[in-house]
Amino acid sequence: EAGVTQSPTHLIKTRGQQVTLRCSPISGHTSVYWYQQALGLGLQFLLWYDEGEERNRGNFPPRFSGRQFPNYSSELNVNALELEDSALYLCASSLGTGNQPQHFGDGTRLSIL
Amino acid sequence: AQTVTQSQPEMSVQEAETVTLSCTYDTSESDYYLFWYKQPPSRQMILVIRQEAYKQQNATENRFSVNFQKAAKSFSLKISDSQLGDAAMYFCGGPRGSTLGRLYFGRGTQLTVWP
Repeated sequence: EAGVTQSPTHLIKTRGQQVTLRCSPISGHTSVYWYQQALGLGLQFLLWYDEGEERNRGNFPPRFSGRQFPNYSSELNVNALELEDSALYLCASSLGTGNQPQHFGDGTRLSIL
Repeated sequence: AQTVTQSQPEMSVQEAETVTLSCTYDTSESDYYLFWYKQPPSRQMILVIRQEAYKQQNATENRFSVNFQKAAKSFSLKISDSQLGDAAMYFCGGPRGSTLGRLYFGRGTQLTVWP
């Protein structure tokens, strides 16, 4: 069974640019989560999608947005990139909530110059 | 509000010895789940073990076990017979109730295993 896949693996952008990160969940998983892991800050929750709807949002500015497609894959968009957006962006998926664990992808390393 | 705190930024252990990583949390939920993940340098987050709050019995997965103290809101991870491959960043995650999707994570504990 394929795990959570994320693309691209690594991205380099400059301030002010826009970026789109992609995530394909494990087959059968309907929930997708996005986390930002900046150096020394642990994992910060960004967004949660389930059945195509945004269910919860972390404390991030509106320039962080996303969506979930009918096949449950997801995109994370970041506009007007700032230096502090440099981080590892992790996507996770789960069968549902509660006791179902989240399974993580390998992440996309975003570097802002 | 839900919070998760890992008070040990770094820990080290000799190979074959036992080490315990601490985690405390806060929640107003009565039924929830807690998780430990490890993140090796390859950066993928790997589920180590999970605990259901309504279960009194502590979860065990091979060399990994938890000490879950619900009243104290404590959820520590014990690694027995430590191996070099256990070296990683360990994150405590939760508490996750039946209606909560997101996980709250601590800042992590970097575990070093010495030969």
